[in-house]
Amino acid sequence: AQTVTQSQPEMSVQEAETVTLSCTYDTSENNYYLFWYKQPPSRQMILVIRQEAYKQQNATENRFSVNFQKAAKSFSLKISDSQLGDTAMYFCAFIHLGAGNNRKLIWGLGTSLAVNP
Amino acid sequence: GAGVSQSPRYKVAKRGQDVALRCDPISGHVSLFWYQQALGQGPEFLTYFQNEAQLDKSGLPSDRFFAERPEGSVSTLKIQRTQQEDSAVYLCASSYLTSLNRQGRTDTQYFGPGTRLTVL
Repeated sequence: AQTVTQSQPEMSVQEAETVTLSCTYDTSENNYYLFWYKQPPSRQMILVIRQEAYKQQNATENRFSVNFQKAAKSFSLKISDSQLGDTAMYFCAFIHLGAGNNRKLIWGLGTSLAVNP
Repeated sequence: GAGVSQSPRYKVAKRGQDVALRCDPISGHVSLFWYQQALGQGPEFLTYFQNEAQLDKSGLPSDRFFAERPEGSVSTLKIQRTQQEDSAVYLCASSYLTSLNRQGRTDTQYFGPGTRLTVL
């Protein structure tokens, strides 16, 4: 079975500090994508960052970066210089690129992040 | 260009009523997905279209749920005889993805704002 585990239901961080959200996943596939999505209270699911499993280099997007450990099946998200607008639910997800046509996202339960002033 | 849009944003239905939820994907996007998100949970896959073909409907919870995309663009998720357990946010996503097993930026799914369905 393919699963995604986010072990931190809630986290908080002070504005301008750094926070790391953890994610582990389980799959027998070798070819897949990993994602972090953000869902603010407004509910729109927004892509934060994406990592292709075949790439060894960790993805970065401005203040957001990941620590991708393929052997450990770990995909943590680091948010640097946290801003109030980062307050949201963060979901870790993956798609496996198997030979079939299914491209569904497999999701974790999410981590609720609060950035405090 | 415009993102994924969904309508209505909110829908209240009495138990037993039929509802129809609409999704307009990003223009040119081949693939379209429906997810169901219960309160406080992550999304759960419902169904997937590639153009007008429904390639996977394994996530539909019962035969009361039906989805279509007749012209390969707009999609409608229909729920017949709604039940209270159908209350959730229904998310639509699209991606510029073909059926080929290809790697690249096209596998990102872009989401609409969702429709919050409340069944009384």
